[in-house]
This record gives sequence, C-alpha cells and structure tokens, in this order.
Amino acid sequence: DAGVTQSPTHLIKTRGQQVTLRCSPKSGHDTVSWYQQALGQGPQFIFQYYEEEERQRGNFPDRFSGHQFPNYSSELNVNALLLGDSALYLCASGLIRDRGNIGFGSGTRLTVV
Amino acid sequence: AQSVTQLGSHVSVSEGALVLLRCNYSSSVPPYLFWYVQYPNQGLQLLLKYTTGATLVKGINGFEAEFKKSETSFHLTKPSAHMSDAAEYFCAVSGNKLVFGAGTILRVKS
Repeated sequence: DAGVTQSPTHLIKTRGQQVTLRCSPKSGHDTVSWYQQALGQGPQFIFQYYEEEERQRGNFPDRFSGHQFPNYSSELNVNALLLGDSALYLCASGLIRDRGNIGFGSGTRLTVV
Repeated sequence: AQSVTQLGSHVSVSEGALVLLRCNYSSSVPPYLFWYVQYPNQGLQLLLKYTTGATLVKGINGFEAEFKKSETSFHLTKPSAHMSDAAEYFCAVSGNKLVFGAGTILRVKS
C-alpha cells in the first residue's frame, strides 16, 4: 500500500517562471493539503482540497493555486516565482472525517534562482 | 483557531541523558496533537500522535508524550538520548487544519 508520493523531488526554476508540483495521496484518503516549509521554519499551511474544491486556505497570495482530480491526486501551481518561494513543499493526505489520520509525502525541494 | 509554541529553538543533551522537548498549544476545538521528526534534507516522519483516550502516548524510537489539558501541553520525552536522535522536531495541532510549531533542533553530544 503506497503512501503519499510527490514529484518531482527537486526542481530549479528562474524568477518569474511558473511551476507545477504533483501529489498522489495514500490509498483510501480523500483530502490533500499542501504546506510550504522555508529553510529554518516550520511547515506553513497553503490550502486543502476535498471533492475537487479548495476547502480552506492559509495566508498565501493568489499566485499559489491548486487542483484536485477525481482520483484524489493534486497539483500545486505557483505563478510568477519569487526568490522567496524557494522552499520544501510538502503534501499531506488525510480523511475528511478523521483529522487524526494524516500522511506526509517526502516533499519537493524548489529552488528559485 | 489553533497555534503551537515550542519552547527552545535548540536543545542540547548528552548521549544517554533525558530528552525533553516542550510544546504548548491552543485550540478552539478538542485538539489532536502530533510530534514529527525531520532529518536534514528529508520530509516529516510521524513520531506519535494523541487523538482521544489515553493521555500518555508512546511512539517510535522510544519517544513518548503526555497530553495535559489543564496545562495545554504535549511535551515530548525520551529517557535516554541516542546520537541518531539528533534532528529537528515539530509539534503540531489539528483543528480544521494542521498547524505546526517553529521546531526544536535537538543536538546530542557524545
């Protein structure tokens, strides 16, 4: 039974470009949340998707957008990349009816140059 | 709303000594509480969690934590530190989303 998988593992982009990160949730999970972890900080909540809709959002600009597909997988898109977007992006999947059941992927390390 | 405060951004202990990492939380709903460990350049690994029931929770690698509602605390302990415990530790609380503390870097001296 596969856990949460993220791709790619590492990515280098130039300022102003756009990036798409992908996440496949653990089998049986129906929600996907995205977190940004800047160097030396704790993970910060970006948004959560459930039933293909954004259910709640953290304090991130509209440059950050996402999508959830019918198979529960998800994408995180970031437009007009800034140097400050360099971070580890973590995907977490879970169950809408059990907030104790959460699994994390290994993350995507994004470097903006 | 939920928030987490981890007291001490850096903790240093000798190998074999007690490990105590402090976490205080606030939550507008009954909290679910988590401790994660992160090794350099890796993702988060779940150590243990409290949801309901027994307030003393045992996790992997000899770690345990006790949920104290009256003190709004969920401190992480391990009786005897090992060199392999050196890492960064995050406490988190789950309400309608998972909110993390700023982390505590644990250093283990030989």
